Amino acid sequence: EIVLTQSPGTLSLSPGERATLSCRASQRVTSDYLAWYQQKPGQAPRLLIYGASTRATGIPDRFSGSGYGTDFSLTISRLEPEDVAVYYCQQYGSSPSITFGQGTRLEIK
Amino acid sequence: VQLVESGGVIVQPGGSLRLSCAASGFIFDDYIIHWVRQAPGKGLEWVCLISRDGDNAYYADSVKGRFTISRDNSKNSLYLQMNSLRSEDTALYYCAKEGDFGSYIESWGQGTLVTVSS
Repeated sequence: EIVLTQSPGTLSLSPGERATLSCRASQRVTSDYLAWYQQKPGQAPRLLIYGASTRATGIPDRFSGSGYGTDFSLTISRLEPEDVAVYYCQQYGSSPSITFGQGTRLEIK
Repeated sequence: VQLVESGGVIVQPGGSLRLSCAASGFIFDDYIIHWVRQAPGKGLEWVCLISRDGDNAYYADSVKGRFTISRDNSKNSLYLQMNSLRSEDTALYYCAKEGDFGSYIESWGQGTLVTVSS
């Protein structure tokens, strides 16, 4: 099973700053099958990125994904107060099972 | 796309429960569907998935042999039969639809809460 480790655990930044969230896999993620989700308090997760770098429908271009192999990142440029959430990465290259990272909590100062 | 889960209740350890998920807004039998759970204050954990025709299912080791996923494509519905429940099964259970290009989750329900407690 591929284990995903996200860092940092918590990120605290000011509005307008750039956030970079990391997701490291214990082994290579096949075909860069890596997705990112945003979960706001009290809500279900929402898909942001799939295929490591493709934005899902309706996701602002402030959100971007990059990386390959075992190291991936989610960048949120120009942070807004509404971006407060927990962000999860997920790999789906080792189908049929999928695994999630433990999450990064983003706080806005 | 709409996914509406139901059936979550408080159940005693060792008990059984059946969750349901009603799907609408898409061609149900065109998609693989998953159950994903989230324990209170914790992260996301994949539970199981079922193929488009219902003939194949895969489970996380933590639930294998205790949970059974099924679907009725004529009713656009997904089910999760949960047996031999343990306290560690306490979680919000999400019904989740795969995307068009792989096993990422494109759409989520709002979840149904299962509490295993005496």
